[in-house]
Amino acid sequence: EDKVVQSPLSLVVHEGDTVTLNCSYEVTNFRSLLWYKQEKKAPTFLFMLTSSGIEKKSGRLSSILDKKELSSILNITATQTGDSAIYLCAVEVGNFNKFYFGSGTKLNVKP
Amino acid sequence: DGGITQSPKYLFRKEGQNVTLSCEQNLNHDAMYWYRQDPGQGLRLIYYSQIVNDFQKGDIAEGYSVSREKKESFPLTVTSAQKNPTAFYLCASSAGGGSGEQYFGPGTRLTVT
Repeated sequence: EDKVVQSPLSLVVHEGDTVTLNCSYEVTNFRSLLWYKQEKKAPTFLFMLTSSGIEKKSGRLSSILDKKELSSILNITATQTGDSAIYLCAVEVGNFNKFYFGSGTKLNVKP
Repeated sequence: DGGITQSPKYLFRKEGQNVTLSCEQNLNHDAMYWYRQDPGQGLRLIYYSQIVNDFQKGDIAEGYSVSREKKESFPLTVTSAQKNPTAFYLCASSAGGGSGEQYFGPGTRLTVT
């Protein structure tokens, strides 16, 4: 059975801290791994990773995929209260555009 | 202004009633999806469709039905057979063909009492 597991499930940090969120997967026919941020309603896209070892960066956020370890990390440096959200990891599989989501990591950044 | 719209934002129904959630996209995407989100459980796939007039069951399809008569529209019906329908429902679309990114609608929060 295909599955995606995220850890930790929740995290409380203070502004300025650096956090690392984890996503591991066990799927057949891996296609890509995606990270989303969900603040209130609709998840918004952060990164899509297909190749192992290539870091993607956007401002204070960065992510990397390790296909050997079947995992990915999302790093957020110098956290701000606006980073408080649920961070979702999804894996696209096969030829059918099907996505499996993890349960998310709820990040709370305190002032 | 391209995007995905879902309506209504909030929906209240009595147990035993069927209810249909609307999802429309003007992104010209081939693939569309319905997810259910419960607290602490992430997104679970209900149904997805890669092309008009075709759709497949996801992991939790029981008690739900869909149709895909038009490329832009993918309505979800929550039937009375769904044992625990109260949840947040998200619709998404993607260009398909392994393009990766999904675009999400704002969601519909359904409460059944």
